[in-house]
Amino acid sequence: AQSVTQPDIHITVSEGASLELRCNYSYGATPYLFWYVQSPGQGLQLLLKYFSGDTLVQGIKGFEAEFKRSQSSFNLRKPSVHWSDAAEYFCAVGVSNFGNEKLTFGTGTRLTIIP
Amino acid sequence: NAGVTQTPKFQVLKTGQSMTLQCAQDMNHNSMYWYRQDPGMGLRLIYYSASEGTTDKGEVPNGYNVSRLNKREFSLRLESAAPSQTSVYFCASGYSPLHFGNGTRLTVT
Repeated sequence: AQSVTQPDIHITVSEGASLELRCNYSYGATPYLFWYVQSPGQGLQLLLKYFSGDTLVQGIKGFEAEFKRSQSSFNLRKPSVHWSDAAEYFCAVGVSNFGNEKLTFGTGTRLTIIP
Repeated sequence: NAGVTQTPKFQVLKTGQSMTLQCAQDMNHNSMYWYRQDPGMGLRLIYYSASEGTTDKGEVPNGYNVSRLNKREFSLRLESAAPSQTSVYFCASGYSPLHFGNGTRLTVT
């Protein structure tokens, strides 16, 4: 069965600083990998996804992630964070079959931005 | 542009009571899902429906039932609520990406 580990429960970063959120996965085949963001009181929004091809994936809001098969990792990065990036971030690994997609989520990393 | 709409937003139940969480999407998606979110555990899949008329169990289906009423609507029913079902419930639809509703916060006392 697939699993996802997000080792950092909470990260605090200064506005304008760079950010890296860690994600490690376990999956038997080539994984479909995702990063979602959740603002307080809201549902989840897709930031980016990796299915195949280029291992550096660009997403919305200036985020990117790099798939490293040798390390079973899919870390999320942003060169300069903004106060509006404060949210909870979830990494997920998915199994896609015939138009439906069952995701296994990590436990999330809460990001706090300080001025 | 409503997307995925969940009702109610909040609910408090006593142990043993029943209720149905409603979900509707207006994006013509075939697939719909129910997740629960608990602190420190991320989101876990309860049930999903790949198309109208079909439903399948996810990771944590015990204590729940679902109905895919039509292509738009996918409801989640708790027949006899338990305190362990206190959680935030999210409905989602679609396929890469999933589109999520804003959640139902359920407390069972």
